[in-house]
Amino acid sequence: GENVEQHPSTLSVQEGDSAVIKCTYSDSASNYFPWYKQELGKGPQLIIDIRSNVGEKKDQRIAVTLNKTAKHFSLHITETQPEDSAVYFCAASKNDYKLSFGAGTTVTVRA
Amino acid sequence: DTAVSQTPKYLVTQMGNDKSIKCEQNLGHDTMYWYKQDSKKFLKIMFSYNNKELIINETVPNRFSPKSPDKAHLNLHINSLELGDSAVYFCASSQAIPSNEQFFGPGTRLTVL
Repeated sequence: GENVEQHPSTLSVQEGDSAVIKCTYSDSASNYFPWYKQELGKGPQLIIDIRSNVGEKKDQRIAVTLNKTAKHFSLHITETQPEDSAVYFCAASKNDYKLSFGAGTTVTVRA
Repeated sequence: DTAVSQTPKYLVTQMGNDKSIKCEQNLGHDTMYWYKQDSKKFLKIMFSYNNKELIINETVPNRFSPKSPDKAHLNLHINSLELGDSAVYFCASSQAIPSNEQFFGPGTRLTVL
């Protein structure tokens, strides 16, 4: 099955700085890569996703890049704010209803 | 106007008991899921139903039995609870493949004593 590895497990950044989280996947058939944000005491919420026919996608301060050859994808958050503090999960899927999640990255934005 | 709701939010029970968690979605989605999140925050899919039909069963013990009375509901019944069942259980729903956004419920924190 699909194996998704995520790094780092924790990330502390100064407010205003950028944060980068990286993930690798094992199954070359995977073609959908969403990122979820989980705030304390809540369920995960989709913040951005990318499909395998696209190399980069941006939504305001958030961007995701995908390198299919190397089988890795990354989340970039610019101009971080305190409300960006949360656990972020990457995931991979190959159109089979199943999302395989990474282990999560706890991001702390220091004011 | 909650999209995906779960009850109860907290569940504390003794080993060996049987308990149920209910999930409802009002998004009109065809597919519903149950995930387990352990103490290290790792999220793992347990089951998925599409139009009330089981499509994913991720080697979950037989003590766990999902039931989907209709497209909007997916309940999880757990028999003979064990200490290792303690976790947060999330229900989610999505419209259909390919891989559309999954909407998660607020979670049910199950503690087995």
